[in-house]
Amino acid sequence: EPEVTQTPSHQVTQMGQEVILRCVPISNHLYFYWYRQILGQKVEFLVSFYNNEISEKSEIFDDQFSVERPDGSNFTLKIRSTKLEDSAMYFCASRTSGASTDTQYFGPGTRLTVL
Amino acid sequence: GNSVTQMEGPVTLSEEAFLTINCTYTATGYPSLFWYVQYPGEGLQLLLKATKADDKGSNKGFEATYRKETTSFHLEKGSVQVSDSAVYFCALSDFSGAGSYQLTFGKGTKLSVIP
Repeated sequence: EPEVTQTPSHQVTQMGQEVILRCVPISNHLYFYWYRQILGQKVEFLVSFYNNEISEKSEIFDDQFSVERPDGSNFTLKIRSTKLEDSAMYFCASRTSGASTDTQYFGPGTRLTVL
Repeated sequence: GNSVTQMEGPVTLSEEAFLTINCTYTATGYPSLFWYVQYPGEGLQLLLKATKADDKGSNKGFEATYRKETTSFHLEKGSVQVSDSAVYFCALSDFSGAGSYQLTFGKGTKLSVIP
């Protein structure tokens, strides 16, 4: 069964450093998402991406964040200058269509630790 | 805006006990409702969903009914197993204006089933 994959599973970085989190969505999916979950808190929406551009972003997704689909398979989240409060589990998700009834499929997550 | 409220955990049950995890929501439109499950060390997996009022989603013995009048989507299982130990997330997908239908999650309920 096709699945969303994410790398790395765990990333440790120093405050102020840039990190890139990578995702490979399911191959025939058209909509892509990043979510994050700070330990003990809710899973929060960061950004959605369709047709090679951001379709929606949350207040969390400020200028320090960017997303890219550099080729036909990868979908990346970049944090330019990490802060301590960026420490969280980051989930990538994808789905086939734009219908509200459609299921989003999630990857296993990348745990980001900022020291 | 949209929001999801789940009962606080953790919940500890004996094997074969009855499970209910309460979930209520607030939405501006007419959302689709989902339950996701996260097993230890894994990503979020869709457990079940319902897309309109009075729909019942079911999977692996779990059920939830979309109740528009009470804005609820409670998760139930008649007889839990040790293998059901996981974190359960209630979520909704609603039209956001930009068409991305991102998910709004509850905080998650950790279930532990003991033999």
